[in-house]
Amino acid sequence: DAGVIQSPRHEVTEMGQEVTLRCKPISGHDYLFWYRQTMMRGLELLIYFNNNVPIDDSGMPEDRFSAKMPNASFSTLKIQPSEPRDSAVYFCASSFGDYNEQFFGPGTRLTVL
Amino acid sequence: SQQGEEDPQALSIQEGENATMNCSYKTSINNLQWYRQNSGRGLVHLILIRSNEREKHSGRLRVTLDTSKKSSSLLITASRAADTASYFCATDGGYGNKLVFGAGTILRVKS
Repeated sequence: DAGVIQSPRHEVTEMGQEVTLRCKPISGHDYLFWYRQTMMRGLELLIYFNNNVPIDDSGMPEDRFSAKMPNASFSTLKIQPSEPRDSAVYFCASSFGDYNEQFFGPGTRLTVL
Repeated sequence: SQQGEEDPQALSIQEGENATMNCSYKTSINNLQWYRQNSGRGLVHLILIRSNEREKHSGRLRVTLDTSKKSSSLLITASRAADTASYFCATDGGYGNKLVFGAGTILRVKS
């Protein structure tokens, strides 16, 4: 069984550029989560979807961040324009049903120069 | 702000010893979960304990939950070098699927 798939695994970009992170959740899961992990702030939930609908985006830091889930097997997190302070590891996770364990992808390490 | 706070921040033990990590949280919960993260990798779910449960076991893992004290502990028995990782507790704060993670405990098991 394939787990949560994220791409790219590493991204290095320059300030001002658009960055798109991709996630394929585990088949059959109805929840999808985007997290950001930094040394300073730890692991933070950015946004989560249920059945492709955004439920809570209160963790999205600012309007430069946007996330979409056009179908049950694909989601994107976009940063436009990117800034050095966006440098972090971004994780996607998925789960099935309410109040259950989440399965994490390997993460995308983003470096904004 | 973080819902769960782990204690200690770091723990170093010898292989074969037991490791205990604690987690405190602030609001009512539906469940509390523990995750492990190896360096440079994604988080791996270890165990979930629901608010009406007091203790749960999984292999060498034992988790307890005290809702009156808003605290949980994770015990790893007979530790191995491969247990070296960061351990996080996560709570839903009563909001179901929205998990809030603590800062984590860094465990180092020396062989």
